[in-house]
Parts: sequence; structure tokens; C-alpha cells
Amino acid sequence: EAGVTQFPSHSVIEKGQTVTLRCDPISGHDNLYWYRRVMGKEIKFLLHFVKESKQDESGMPNNRFLAERTGGTYSTLKVQPAELEDSGVYFCASSQEGGRDAEKLFFGSGTQLSVL
Amino acid sequence: GQSLEQPSEVTAVEGAIVQINCTYQTSGFYGLSWYQQHDGGAPTFLSYNGLDGLEETGRFSSFLSRSDSYGYLLLQELQMKDSASYFCAVRDNYGQNFVFGPGTRLSVLP
Repeated sequence: EAGVTQFPSHSVIEKGQTVTLRCDPISGHDNLYWYRRVMGKEIKFLLHFVKESKQDESGMPNNRFLAERTGGTYSTLKVQPAELEDSGVYFCASSQEGGRDAEKLFFGSGTQLSVL
Repeated sequence: GQSLEQPSEVTAVEGAIVQINCTYQTSGFYGLSWYQQHDGGAPTFLSYNGLDGLEETGRFSSFLSRSDSYGYLLLQELQMKDSASYFCAVRDNYGQNFVFGPGTRLSVLP
């Protein structure tokens, strides 16, 4: 079974540019989450999809961040325009819907974003 | 809102036992989970407690006391490969997002 995959693994961009991160969850996982870890600190929640619907986007820092999950499969997170403080590791995680399985998040390896 | 507290660092020697505590404050509570993350890697799920008591999975055990808003991860027979960051996470209600603690960096010494 393929795990959660994220692309790219690293991205270096200049301030003001646009970057799009992609996440492919485990097939059949309805729940998809985006998290960010900055400077080795806590893992901060960004948003949560259930299938194609945004269940909770309270963690999105501002309107420069846009997440989509068309068709309820893969998801993209676009940052436009990028600022220096957006640097960090962006993790995607997925889980099954319902019961104890919903409590187990499977994480991707993350995208290391560096904004210069 | 929700907040979680964990010790920032713990150091132990190979073969020892270490306990990493987690206290939380949430508006509701659905469960406490633990994740391990090696440097440069992805967080990986270790355990979940929805009810009070101890859950055991090999060398790792996790405990929850809902009345005390407290849990811990117990690692036994420590190995060098256990050196990593450990995060507790809570979900305040089913269907809501997971909130992660600040993480505890465990260093296992020979």
C-alpha cells in the first residue's frame, strides 16, 4: 500500500513568488490534513478536508494560502505571494473516516519550503 | 481553545525506561495520541488512548487519565534508534482537527 506522498520535497523560492505544494493521500482516506512545522517548533494545524469539503480551515494564517482538494483525491496548497515567514516544513496527513481508524494519521515526508 | 504541555527535552541511556508526560486543556475531549518524528522524517503514529488506562504496544505504552487531563508515553528498553521527537496530540471532538503539543526531544545515550 502506497503511503502519503508529497511533492516537491524541497522548494526554494524568492519572496513574492508563488509555490504550490501537492499531497496524495492514501487511497480511500477521506480525511486529509495540512500541518506546518516552523523552525523545529510545534506542528501547527492549517486545515482539514473531508473528501472534497473543507471541514476546518481555522489554522490557515491568511488569505495568501489557498488549499483545494478537487474530487476528494489529491490536495494542493498554494502560497501566493510567499513571504519570509512562510518558510517551514509543510506536512500532509490522511486518515480513514470513522471509528478508531480515524484517530491514526498517516503523514507524508513533508515539503521543506524556504522563502528567501 | 486547546493547549498542550510537554517537557522540551529528555535524556536517558540505552536499556533504561523513560516517561514523557503530556497535559492538555481542551473545550471537549475525544482522545490523546502520540507520534514519533526522527530528524528530517515524517511523524509516525505510535498510540491512541480514547479511554482511561494503559495501552501497550511492544516496548511502548501510553496512559490516559481524563479526569486529570493528563497522559504519558512510556518507552522501555530504550534503544539508540528511539532518539527522536515525540508529540502528543488531542482532538477535542470527533471530526475536529488534531492539535499537537510542542514536542519532547528524546536523546538516548550509549
